[in-house]
Amino acid sequence: GAVVSQHPSRVICKSGTSVKIECRSLDFQATTMFWYRQFPKKSLMLMATSNEGSKATYEQGVEKDKFLINHASLTLSTLTVTSAHPEDSSFYICSALLGTSDNEQFFGPGTRLTVL
Amino acid sequence: DAKTTQPPSMDCAEGRAANLPCNHSTISGNEYVYWYRQIHSQGPQYIIHGLKNNETNEMASLIITEDRKSSTLILPHATLRDTAVYYCIVREGRGNKLVFGAGTILRVKS
Repeated sequence: GAVVSQHPSRVICKSGTSVKIECRSLDFQATTMFWYRQFPKKSLMLMATSNEGSKATYEQGVEKDKFLINHASLTLSTLTVTSAHPEDSSFYICSALLGTSDNEQFFGPGTRLTVL
Repeated sequence: DAKTTQPPSMDCAEGRAANLPCNHSTISGNEYVYWYRQIHSQGPQYIIHGLKNNETNEMASLIITEDRKSSTLILPHATLRDTAVYYCIVREGRGNKLVFGAGTILRVKS
């Protein structure tokens, strides 16, 4: 089956720094990827839709200047949390769209971000 | 907003069938029912999906009522590794975003 990886799996950073999370589709090309955020004991919340070669589409309430998304190739999308604060600590999960399958969305293993 | 309603939690004995219900009374004719599950601290895993007909794969069966207002996911022989949060999602067409609700926490007990 299609595999999606994320790097890093865990990251701890100081408040005010920026953190970049990578999402890669390993064995297929994905023109569309999605970024989700999940707080403890809560469900996944869609943050944005990332399309290769164009600007990301952000969900209502998600600050595009704080969560920078770059989908520079058909196998890589990055999420950069700028000027991170403790309230940005969360589990960030990406998914990639496989257009030829009814299943379609394949999820990465997630990245645990802790901002001190 | 999620368009589905699921019980917050369920328990199931190991080796028995786990039946997880989902209400989607406002589903429209071109919306599919998808099921995903999330094991603790991992990304969601696709289980099964359907439109009108019942579906079965190596993981589970999906039973959709004739009026399509509800469905049931069946894990025929639950194991301890099936303990997870199960999400029922309705989605129009292919490729559109998934909107996750609260899901059902399934605890499989020995």
